[in-house]
Amino acid sequence: EDKVVQSPLSLVVHEGDTVTLNCSYEVTNFRSLLWYKQEKKAPTFLFMLTSSGIEKKSGRLSSILDKKELFSILNITATQTGDSAIYLCAVGDQTGANNLFFGTGTRLTVIP
Amino acid sequence: GAGVSQSPRYKVAKRGQDVALRCDPISGHVSLFWYQQALGQGPEFLTYFQNEAQLDKSGLPSDRFFAERPEGSVSTLKIQRTQQEDSAVYLCASSRGTYTDTQYFGPGTRLTVL
Repeated sequence: EDKVVQSPLSLVVHEGDTVTLNCSYEVTNFRSLLWYKQEKKAPTFLFMLTSSGIEKKSGRLSSILDKKELFSILNITATQTGDSAIYLCAVGDQTGANNLFFGTGTRLTVIP
Repeated sequence: GAGVSQSPRYKVAKRGQDVALRCDPISGHVSLFWYQQALGQGPEFLTYFQNEAQLDKSGLPSDRFFAERPEGSVSTLKIQRTQQEDSAVYLCASSRGTYTDTQYFGPGTRLTVL
């Protein structure tokens, strides 16, 4: 059964700190790994990763995938209170109907 | 439209009532997904449409759940005889193509069954 595990489950940091969120996965036929940020309701897309070792970057956020060790990390530097959210990791399986398998998320709280 | 929209945003139902949740995907998106998200959990797949065809409904938890997308755009998720365990946020997502993993999510409908 496909599985996505995120850690830590929750994290509290001060503004300006750097955080690293982890996602490990077991899927039958990996196609891609996606990171979403969820505030209130709708998960909003951050990154999609398909190849190992290639960092994707957007402002203070960056992510990288290791397909050999089956994990990804999401880094956020110089955190701000607006970064407070649940960060979801999801994996696409080639054998599935294109649906995504989600982890339970990491709840990040950034305090001033 | 600019994004995926869902209605209603909140729904309270008495146990045993039927509910219908609507999803308007991004215009032109071929794929449409429904997910169920329980409190403190990640979204879990319910069903998938490619245009009007429902290609996968393996995630629907029981035969009380039914989804349709008759014209390949708007979709409705119907839950018959609601139970308390159906209380969750129901998320709809759409993606451009048939094997395009980037899914764009709507705001969800929070269903509370009393």
